[in-house]
Amino acid sequence: AQSVTQPDIHITVSEGASLELRCNYSYGATPYLFWYVQSPGQGLQLLLKYFSGDTLVQGIKGFEAEFKRSQSSFNLRKPSVHWSDAAEYFCAVGNNDMRFGAGTRLTVKP
Amino acid sequence: NAGVTQTPKFQVLKTGQSMTLQCAQDMNHEYMSWYRQDPGMGLRLIHYSVGAGITDQGEVPNGYNVSRSTTEDFPLRLLSAAPSQTSVYFCASSYSTGPRGLSLHFGNGTRLTVT
Repeated sequence: AQSVTQPDIHITVSEGASLELRCNYSYGATPYLFWYVQSPGQGLQLLLKYFSGDTLVQGIKGFEAEFKRSQSSFNLRKPSVHWSDAAEYFCAVGNNDMRFGAGTRLTVKP
Repeated sequence: NAGVTQTPKFQVLKTGQSMTLQCAQDMNHEYMSWYRQDPGMGLRLIHYSVGAGITDQGEVPNGYNVSRSTTEDFPLRLLSAAPSQTSVYFCASSYSTGPRGLSLHFGNGTRLTVT
């Protein structure tokens, strides 16, 4: 069955520093992969997705993610974090039967 | 454009009561789904629908029923509420289940407490 692991429950970075959030997946075929962000008290918003082609995917808010089939990973990156990026981030795999990871909470230090 | 609308925002039930969580979208999306979010567990798929008249089970369907009589609405029914169903429930929709994959639009959630 498809599944997602986000190894980091909580990450703290300084404003202006770079960010990488890890995601590992288990899926039987070429996966659909997603990153979503959730601000407190809100629903989730799609940041980016991979479904085929170029393995480096650009998303909204300056985020990007790289699909690495050999490592079963889809890590999210941002070169310079802003205070407004503080939120919870979810990796997901699949399509109709989409499965989410447990999430990584990002804290941004001034 | 309202997007995905969930009602109510908050609900308290007693064990054994039944209720329906409402979800409506005005984007003419074919795909709709229900998730529950619990601390440390991310979102877990309850049921989903790829179009009117079609529903399927997700990861945690027990204790929940759904129907999809129109494209716009996808209500979630709790048949006999249990404390284990205390959670935040999210409805989501997407324009297509085609080769480009889903782009889920989420509602703002319903916080349910079962005592």
